[in-house]
Amino acid sequence: QSVLTQPPSVSAAPGQKVTISCSGSSSNIGNDYVSWYQQLPGTAPKLLIYDNNKRPSGIPDRFSGSKSGTSATLGITGLQTGDEADYYCGTWDSSLSAWVFGGGTKLTVL
Amino acid sequence: QVQLVESGGGVVQPGRSLRLSCAASGFTFSRHVMHWVRQAPGKGLEWEAIISHDGGNKYYADSVKGRFTISRDNSKNTLYLQMNSLRAEDTAVYYCARERLGLPHDAFDIWGQGTMVTVAS
Repeated sequence: QSVLTQPPSVSAAPGQKVTISCSGSSSNIGNDYVSWYQQLPGTAPKLLIYDNNKRPSGIPDRFSGSKSGTSATLGITGLQTGDEADYYCGTWDSSLSAWVFGGGTKLTVL
Repeated sequence: QVQLVESGGGVVQPGRSLRLSCAASGFTFSRHVMHWVRQAPGKGLEWEAIISHDGGNKYYADSVKGRFTISRDNSKNTLYLQMNSLRAEDTAVYYCARERLGLPHDAFDIWGQGTMVTVAS
């Protein structure tokens, strides 16, 4: 049971938009910045979004992040088949003194 | 280029020990907080441990507290994870990850390729 809650899966057609939610509490998302990671099959995770809504160099602006209260959202527009991957949210939990991840969301581009 | 390379994984019997290493290159290792994250087969990411830039502060997930020890040697640009009293449920790919130089508890911007640990008799 993950501390952060994500939907197990989402799907959309190529070119469409999808959002992935990440729900937490006042001790984690409500108290610190959220980051998002993309894990393509068989590879290591890759940072997509940091500090709630900032993109590292090289990440296209099709990817966006937002946070409100104790929830965060990853948005992906102009979906491509190459976006099929698992997506994870993460943040620090001050009550646990531990980093916590969501359970992951598998994106399928139909 | 900036990279992290893990090593030391393998097959080990329950109750035995293993030490993982993570060699850093291409950046000033001593400036960064570092983490270990694992992923059991077919499962999600699970954070295990964090160590401050100078090694003075460490925190662990409850699942490994008292069994695993994170450490670093900044003179060798290397991060370690000493794993004792291993259990079948510790079977996973173990990643080391670099924390961004930014806000406290910032994101993990560089990940290693991972090393597989299998605990089985």
